[in-house]
Amino acid sequence: EDKVVQSPLSLVVHEGDTVTLNCSYEVTNFRSLLWYKQEKKAPTFLFMLTSSGIEKKSGRLSSILDKKELFSILNITATQTGDSAIYLCAVEGGNYGQNFVFGPGTRLSVLP
Amino acid sequence: DTAVSQTPKYLVTQMGNDKSIKCEQNLGHDTMYWYKQDSKKFLKIMFSYNNKELIINETVPNRFSPKSPDKAHLNLHINSLELGDSAVYFCASGTRDRTEAFFGQGTRLTVV
Repeated sequence: EDKVVQSPLSLVVHEGDTVTLNCSYEVTNFRSLLWYKQEKKAPTFLFMLTSSGIEKKSGRLSSILDKKELFSILNITATQTGDSAIYLCAVEGGNYGQNFVFGPGTRLSVLP
Repeated sequence: DTAVSQTPKYLVTQMGNDKSIKCEQNLGHDTMYWYKQDSKKFLKIMFSYNNKELIINETVPNRFSPKSPDKAHLNLHINSLELGDSAVYFCASGTRDRTEAFFGQGTRLTVV
C-alpha cells in the first residue's frame, strides 16, 4: 500500500533556527514528490522533485530527494514567524500518475 | 480505516457529460474542502463546507456544485464537462481555522 510518513509531526523552534523536515515514502511507480505549505488558505506549492541528488532552492527553503532510500528533506534556514505552518509532503505514483498520497504533515511553530 | 476517501480514483469521460466525485471523512471534522490541482501542481481551493454551509466559493464555474448530505460527506457534481476540467481533484477535511487539512488520494479526471 502506498504511504507517506513525515517526521517530526510537530516542531517548535525560535526565529533564526534552521529546521529539517523529513518525508519518507513507499509508492508504486514513483513519479514525483511534492512539498506544500499549509496555512489558513489553500496549500502553497513549494517544490516538486523527480530526480535524486538535485537540490531545489527557493530563498531560505531547499529540498532534496533520495530515490534510493525513498525519502526527501525540506530545509528552512533562518526561520521566521511567517514560516509557521503545516508542511505537507505528497508523492505521485502509479502507471498514469493516478496515485497521489499526502503525508500527515509537520506542524512547524516558529516563536519570536 | 482511511481518514478521507474519494471515489472514483480516476475517471475518463466525454465532453458534455455530467459526473460526480464522492468524498467521505471519518475524522469527525466540521469542515470539508474540494481542491483542483492544476498542471503546475498548484492546489486551488474550490469549495469549503462547514456544518452544511458553503463558506467559500472561489470563482468556480456554476457547472461545479458541492453537495453535502451530512457532515461526513462532501460530493462534487460537475455538469457539462469541458476539456479544461481535466485535472486531479482533491477532497480534504479539517478544522474550521484551516490550520490543518487531511487529504484524500485524489481523483484524476480526464475529459475527452
